[in-house]
Amino acid sequence: AQKITQTQPGMFVQEKEAVTLDCTYDTSDPSYGLFWYKQPSSGEMIFLIYQGSYDQQNATEGRYSLNFQKARKSANLVISASQLGDSAMYFCAMREALRRGGATNKLIFGTGTLLAVQP
Amino acid sequence: DAGVIQSPRHEVTEMGQEVTLRCKPISGHDYLFWYRQTMMRGLELLIYFNNNVPIDDSGMPEDRFSAKMPNASFSTLKIQPSEPRDSAVYFCASSLRKGRTRDMNSPLHFGNGTRLTVT
Repeated sequence: AQKITQTQPGMFVQEKEAVTLDCTYDTSDPSYGLFWYKQPSSGEMIFLIYQGSYDQQNATEGRYSLNFQKARKSANLVISASQLGDSAMYFCAMREALRRGGATNKLIFGTGTLLAVQP
Repeated sequence: DAGVIQSPRHEVTEMGQEVTLRCKPISGHDYLFWYRQTMMRGLELLIYFNNNVPIDDSGMPEDRFSAKMPNASFSTLKIQPSEPRDSAVYFCASSLRKGRTRDMNSPLHFGNGTRLTVT
């Protein structure tokens, strides 16, 4: 069964510095998708970035990038030039794949990392 | 464009009462999801629909929970009777897959959630 692990319950980073949030996953399927979401204190879930298992390059979206290491089954989120508004809970998620080669549309989530950006 | 709309934002009810949570997905999206978020269990998928048809309800905790999607623009999650352990934030999300079963990269778009408190 697929599984997502986020081992850092909480992280601190100084404003303007870069921070890496860890995510490892476990799947036996060769085809899968990995997502990162941000949940600020207001509670909404905001989609940040996506990485496909067959993508040749690491995904980037503005200040967000993914350090995707397929052999290690890790998909760490890197936030560059941290801002106070980046303080939030961050969730890694994976889309399951069906054995027949298609994909379900389920996303399974990790437990999250609470990031605090300090001025 | 309007995002996923959930109502109510907050619900406080007494144990034993019926609770109905409502969701309007993004227009044109063909998948709808209900998730529950608690401190102890994180984000759990309860059920999801494709083109108004329930696809996977394996996450529905017990018979007290039921979900319907009578049309493409409306879904409900009902708890009857409610119990204090049902207290959580319930999220509705939608996504667009256009029937491409191998398409892995469509993100889920979440509503702002309903915070349910059962006393």
